[in-house]
Amino acid sequence: RKEVEQDPGPFNVPEGATVAFNCTYSNSASQSFFWYRQDCRKEPKLLMSVYSSGNEDGRFTAQLNRASQYISLLIRDSKLSDSATYLCVVNGLYNNNDMRFGAGTRLTVKP
Amino acid sequence: DTAVSQTPKYLVTQMGNDKSIKCEQNLGHDTMYWYKQDSKKFLKIMFSYNNKELIINETVPNRFSPKSPDKAHLNLHINSLELGDSAVYFCASSQDVGLETQYFGPGTRLLVL
Repeated sequence: RKEVEQDPGPFNVPEGATVAFNCTYSNSASQSFFWYRQDCRKEPKLLMSVYSSGNEDGRFTAQLNRASQYISLLIRDSKLSDSATYLCVVNGLYNNNDMRFGAGTRLTVKP
Repeated sequence: DTAVSQTPKYLVTQMGNDKSIKCEQNLGHDTMYWYKQDSKKFLKIMFSYNNKELIINETVPNRFSPKSPDKAHLNLHINSLELGDSAVYFCASSQDVGLETQYFGPGTRLLVL
């Protein structure tokens, strides 16, 4: 099993759609989880942290399921500007200094 | 106002050459990182420094040598460049190690011919 695994997509959805991504991780002792967004030919930027109780930021909702070792990202009412690659990041796999990125899920929102 | 900056943005060079990439952050962070993103877009950590001290050294060829002259700078020197070194190299920083948001530089696109 890969350390951090994501469905690479691509996900092609119409504007206004709801789309969900999952990410699985291998180390049950992992402590912190993030979703980053990377636009084409740009650097990754933090989208949101993922907390144990789940958290929401506008149209974005992140969930953590420790028992099944996965995190999810839900995007409601997709906008054209949401088109990007979404990177799942898990740290604490080996120690607190360690952050591991998934390969990313590509989302394209179409008019 | 740039938080994490890298130079150069683009680097095209011949196999066998030695090159350096520089990174600077003005966020006052203690920890800096180098990542490599290959053609498949997979982002992989190479090195991490905390207060100028090496804390992560992933399995990378010893042709890659990081140097941190101070907390705000982490440079990457690459000896004897190979075709497979072609990738985008991102520098990042965080306030402290581990459970912290990382801020990335714009990347250096390296092409080895």
